Amino acid sequence: SAVISQKPSRDICQRGTSLTIQCQVDSQVTMMFWYRQQPGQSLTLIATANQGSEATYESGFVIDKFPISRPNLTFSTLTVSNMSPEDSSIYLCSAEGESGTYNEQFFGPGTRLTVL
Amino acid sequence: QKEVEQNSGPLSVPEGAIASLNCTYSDRGSQSFFWYRQYSGKSPELIMSIYSNGDKEDGRFTAQLNKASQYVSLLIRDSQPSDSATYLCAVESGNTPLVFGKGTRLSVIA
Repeated sequence: SAVISQKPSRDICQRGTSLTIQCQVDSQVTMMFWYRQQPGQSLTLIATANQGSEATYESGFVIDKFPISRPNLTFSTLTVSNMSPEDSSIYLCSAEGESGTYNEQFFGPGTRLTVL
Repeated sequence: QKEVEQNSGPLSVPEGAIASLNCTYSDRGSQSFFWYRQYSGKSPELIMSIYSNGDKEDGRFTAQLNKASQYVSLLIRDSQPSDSATYLCAVESGNTPLVFGKGTRLSVIA
């Protein structure tokens, strides 16, 4: 399975500022994703990070608010822009590698964001 | 819209019992099915994957898939307090991102 690391692990930010979260995978992967998880809630997919092209965003999420980069097959960043307290959440990076002929998806440890 | 349904729980079982977690999905074309375990404050951890009808066993865990009924389950034998967590069912259809259920919270009582 792929090993995924995220930086920072947590942060406390002021309203109106931006935070960039980094995600590093220890092997080349086909797909990378960004999720958000509110306390006690399930996972919400923000976007699929595409290598070399613009990310594919889910309904309710836009590039201006959550710009994403994926410059290569092992690294991606998510920026949370112009933050408000409603953005307080855990942000999870996920990668899909290949296990035999099937793809399995693994998660990083998450970034706990608090916006004051 | 593709949906994955799980009973939110909490599901409480005594230590040593079998815990049975259930999941239904709406997309009949779904091909891959996964169970994740998530401890409080941690990220989801993949514990089982299943791709064809029938049972798949891995240690104390057994995943069961019935595509005709659009139903996938996870059995945990000899449940331990350390199994207490939220279990997420996830379903994949072709080249689309996983669709996650809301999770079932399992509590194993010592």
